[in-house]
Amino acid sequence: DSGVTQTPKHLITATGQRVTLRCSPRSGDLSVYWYQQSLDQGLQFLIQYYNGEERAKGNILERFSAQQFPDLHSELNLSSLELGDSALYFCASGQGATSEIPLVNEQFFGPGTRLTVL
Amino acid sequence: GQNIDQPTEMTATEGAIVQINCTYQTSGFNGLFWYQQHAGEAPTFLSYNVLDGLEEKGRFSSFLSRSKGYSYLLLKELQMKDSASYLCAAMDSNYQLIWGAGTKLIIKP
Repeated sequence: DSGVTQTPKHLITATGQRVTLRCSPRSGDLSVYWYQQSLDQGLQFLIQYYNGEERAKGNILERFSAQQFPDLHSELNLSSLELGDSALYFCASGQGATSEIPLVNEQFFGPGTRLTVL
Repeated sequence: GQNIDQPTEMTATEGAIVQINCTYQTSGFNGLFWYQQHAGEAPTFLSYNVLDGLEEKGRFSSFLSRSKGYSYLLLKELQMKDSASYLCAAMDSNYQLIWGAGTKLIIKP
């Protein structure tokens, strides 16, 4: 158990709909990362938040948005869903500090939310 | 641009040794991570290298050559439970991880 929690575990919805995925980081971690992993594909980095502020953006579509709240939990909002959005969505947390100390930069992954768009 | 290359798939025999290679090109470099991911599960941390050389941790070892932009993960005494995808990720100058597509390792009895 990494200490990162994600809800829900599974989500089935229809095209055009909007969903919200939730992530609670490990205690003490200030940074949250969101990833998308389609079937048999690698991890695609979407976005990173650090202590409530957006720190880095990856291949995140305009239909997707995220935020990190004062209690450090994060939500990923996916709207106007398409069939191709079906994937595993992982949240990871870490201290996100700028340092060469290895464990400071390690990311701990939650169990993921499996999204199926029908 | 930034890029990570690793083989898509490898097959090995139970009890044998396998080496999974990774080459990287990043803007700056602050270390290389290896993660293991079983199908449908979350990636889990295996190793981190920031200095050249070999880091050994039980049956798993990881090697880094910064001058060559190259790393490998060495798995010894392979077990069936080692069947998984192995993800290589390099940390760039902004301390962002650049991920490879992963190497699917198939272990045969």
